[in-house]
Amino acid sequence: QSVLTQPPSVSAAPGQKVTISCSGSSSNIENNYVSWYQQLPGTAPKLLIYENNKRPSGIPDRFSGSKSGTSATLGITGLQTGDEADYYCGAWDSSLSAWVFGGGTKLTVL
Amino acid sequence: QVQLQESGPGLVKPSETLSLTCTVSGASISSFYWSWIRQPPGKALEWIGYISDTGNTIYTPSLRSRVTISVDTSKNHFSLRLTSVTTADTAVYYCARASYYYAIWGQGILVTVSS
Repeated sequence: QSVLTQPPSVSAAPGQKVTISCSGSSSNIENNYVSWYQQLPGTAPKLLIYENNKRPSGIPDRFSGSKSGTSATLGITGLQTGDEADYYCGAWDSSLSAWVFGGGTKLTVL
Repeated sequence: QVQLQESGPGLVKPSETLSLTCTVSGASISSFYWSWIRQPPGKALEWIGYISDTGNTIYTPSLRSRVTISVDTSKNHFSLRLTSVTTADTAVYYCARASYYYAIWGQGILVTVSS
């Protein structure tokens, strides 16, 4: 059972928008930065969003992040088949004194 | 640019010690924090711990009694040592540069625990 809770799967059609939620608590999401990672099959995770809503260089603006209270959300617009991957949220947990990841969400682009 | 490369045995026997090394290129290992993260087959990412630029370490509570992360500045690499392994420790192990986020990852190395 992960400290951060994500839906196991989401799906949408090409060109559509999808959101992936990440639910935590005051010891992690509410009071620390959230980051998001994309993991294509057989590859290492790739940073998509850092410090709640910032995109690293090279990440298209189709990807966005937001945070409110103890929850964070990853948004992806203009879905492409290449976006099919597992997505993970992560944050520092001040109570555990450890970094925690969500359980991951598998995105299917129908 | 900064690159990380994991190395070590791909097969470890139960009850023995898993030892991996992450070689850093393009950056001084003394200037950043460094982490190990693992992923059992078909499962989620699990953070193992980090070592700071001053050598301080923090480990995830569930592995704290069995894990050690260390740095060798002369070789610009850092290492993971996990003792008394069981089949539950079978995973892809990633090294990564630690910050408020993980921007740089190694490609990962699969370690199987089996007799």
